[in-house]
Amino acid sequence: GDSVTQMEGPVTLSEEACLTINCTYTATGYPSLFWYVQYPGEGLQLLLKATKADDKGSNKGFEATYRKETTSFHLEKGSVQVSDSAVYFCALSLLQGGSEKLVFGKGTKLTVNP
Amino acid sequence: GAGVSQSPRYKVAKRGQDVALRCDPISGHVSLFWYQQALGQGPEFLTYFQNEAQLDKSGLPSDRFFAERPEGSVSTLKIQRTQQEDSAVYLCASSLSRLHTDTQYFGPGTRLTVL
Repeated sequence: GDSVTQMEGPVTLSEEACLTINCTYTATGYPSLFWYVQYPGEGLQLLLKATKADDKGSNKGFEATYRKETTSFHLEKGSVQVSDSAVYFCALSLLQGGSEKLVFGKGTKLTVNP
Repeated sequence: GAGVSQSPRYKVAKRGQDVALRCDPISGHVSLFWYQQALGQGPEFLTYFQNEAQLDKSGLPSDRFFAERPEGSVSTLKIQRTQQEDSAVYLCASSLSRLHTDTQYFGPGTRLTVL
């Protein structure tokens, strides 16, 4: 079945360090890909998305490129801030079985220290 | 505008009790989803509505779980005879249409603890 595998955490970085969180997927069709973020005490919110191959999603300094050839959607940021501390979820969406449900990875907890 | 709201935010139930969790989606959103998130895990799909029609309930773990959206707006997830393994955060999400490219907007969740 469709699945998402993302880098296990926790990840701890110092402020201004570079971040990469790896995400790969398995899907029978052509999914849309998403990164959602969950800040402490808050609900899930969309960080960025890409709906077709070679699309790049970007938001708040984060970027991810939909790579069909490697079935990947790695999240990157050049310089992290303390406020980026959160849990990050990679997800795919595919119209299947009557719904376009999201399939999530297990999440990666990021802590950024000053 | 208002986002997705859920109530209650926290629910403690004794094993065997029935519970009802409410979701108010964003006004005008056609699609509504329920997910279950266990501690330290990603959300897992439970069920999907397009307007009032429940088109996919493949993720419901047992026949103790029942969901409805009778007027195509508010939805209720009901769990009968709760068990300890039902303890989780229940998330509701809505999206504008039924395209898989659409963004799903999530509510804050209901944390259910079954004692």
